[in-house]
Amino acid sequence: LAKTTQPISMDSYEGQEVNITCSHNNIATNDYITWYQQFPSQGPRFIIQGYKTKVTNEVASLFIPADRKSSTLSLPRVSLSDTAVYYCLVNTGFQKLVFGTGTRLLVSP
Amino acid sequence: DGGITQSPKYLFRKEGQNVTLSCEQNLNHDAMYWYRQDPGQGLRLIYYSQIVNDFQKGDIAEGYSVSREKKESFPLTVTSAQKNPTAFYLCASRRDNSPLHFGNGTRLTVT
Repeated sequence: LAKTTQPISMDSYEGQEVNITCSHNNIATNDYITWYQQFPSQGPRFIIQGYKTKVTNEVASLFIPADRKSSTLSLPRVSLSDTAVYYCLVNTGFQKLVFGTGTRLLVSP
Repeated sequence: DGGITQSPKYLFRKEGQNVTLSCEQNLNHDAMYWYRQDPGQGLRLIYYSQIVNDFQKGDIAEGYSVSREKKESFPLTVTSAQKNPTAFYLCASRRDNSPLHFGNGTRLTVT
């Protein structure tokens, strides 16, 4: 199973772009990379999923290099409400899905 | 609306008692999961189930038990053998390789 490593915490200011990188050296050929956002006392919420290159939706972009050993979640122009914990997860064909420790993002005014 | 329902939201028990946490989904998902989260920590996998009548241990299964008699339901029992049961418990489900859908969690306090 691919283990993920993320920074424990990051700080930013409103209006800035935030990039959170996750490493997953043992990712397998058929695995996807998925990112979740979690607020206190709530279940994680799906943000974005990708396989390679770049994926963009209305809230974020996901950049995955050719070797797929890392991925970067990009949050454009963050606001105070983006303060949360962000998890990357290797979405494997195997059913055992193990989360890493996540990145605690603090957005200040 | 389709989703995952965890009940109750808060649960209090005395030490030494077994307690069962409910998880129901109407998303027609085959796979279901239970995670435990301690304050300021990440999610740790307790049990997961790919199909009805089948389930597998996760990384911290000791002191917990599950059943999967119906596709929609995956209850988790926290037994008296679990040494530190006070935690936030999250249930999730998914179909094939789609992203996980999570419930809103049950916060269990054992005193």
